[in-house]
Amino acid sequence: AQRVTQPEKLLSVFKGAPVELKCNYSYSGSPELFWYVQYSRQRLQLLLRHISRESIKGFTADLNKGETSFHLKKPFAQEEDSAMYYCALKNSGGYQKVTFGTGTKLQVIP
Amino acid sequence: GAGVSQSPRYKVAKRGQDVALRCDPISGHVSLFWYQQALGQGPEFLTYFQNEAQLDKSGLPSDRFFAERPEGSVSTLKIQRTQQEDSAVYLCASSSQGNSGANVLTFGAGSRLTVL
Repeated sequence: AQRVTQPEKLLSVFKGAPVELKCNYSYSGSPELFWYVQYSRQRLQLLLRHISRESIKGFTADLNKGETSFHLKKPFAQEEDSAMYYCALKNSGGYQKVTFGTGTKLQVIP
Repeated sequence: GAGVSQSPRYKVAKRGQDVALRCDPISGHVSLFWYQQALGQGPEFLTYFQNEAQLDKSGLPSDRFFAERPEGSVSTLKIQRTQQEDSAVYLCASSSQGNSGANVLTFGAGSRLTVL
């Protein structure tokens, strides 16, 4: 069974401080990992995915298969980064079931 | 349409009532998902359609939950004899590809169900 774990419910950081949102997964195959974000009063939306190896809004995430982790990082937090962040895993099998973690609320203190 | 549309946005039901939640995905999107999000939790998978075929309904919590997508576009999630534990936001998402590729989910705004 595929599972996504986000150990922190809430992460508070000061503006300008580095951010790391943790995500660990369990899956027997080769997964695809995503980070989704939900800003206040907005819809859940994709932030980034590991296969694209992209940086979005200054955020990056590296898939570490040895540690089964996909932590989200940003060197300098901004107030507009405050939101709920969900790590998600898509199976690599025949169809695309996507499993979400419980989410981490990022609060950037001005 | 421009995005995934869900209706109603808010629904209050008395315990025991039946409810129907509608999802209108992005035109042409093959895949459609329903998720249940309880307060303070992440989205929990309910069911998945590829066109009109329901390929996975393993997340439906009981036989009171039923979903359909008869023409491969609009989908309806029906909950019979609602219970208080059914109170949650029901999210619909669609994506453009079928089995292959890295697929991005586009979410609707959700339908918030409150069962009294």
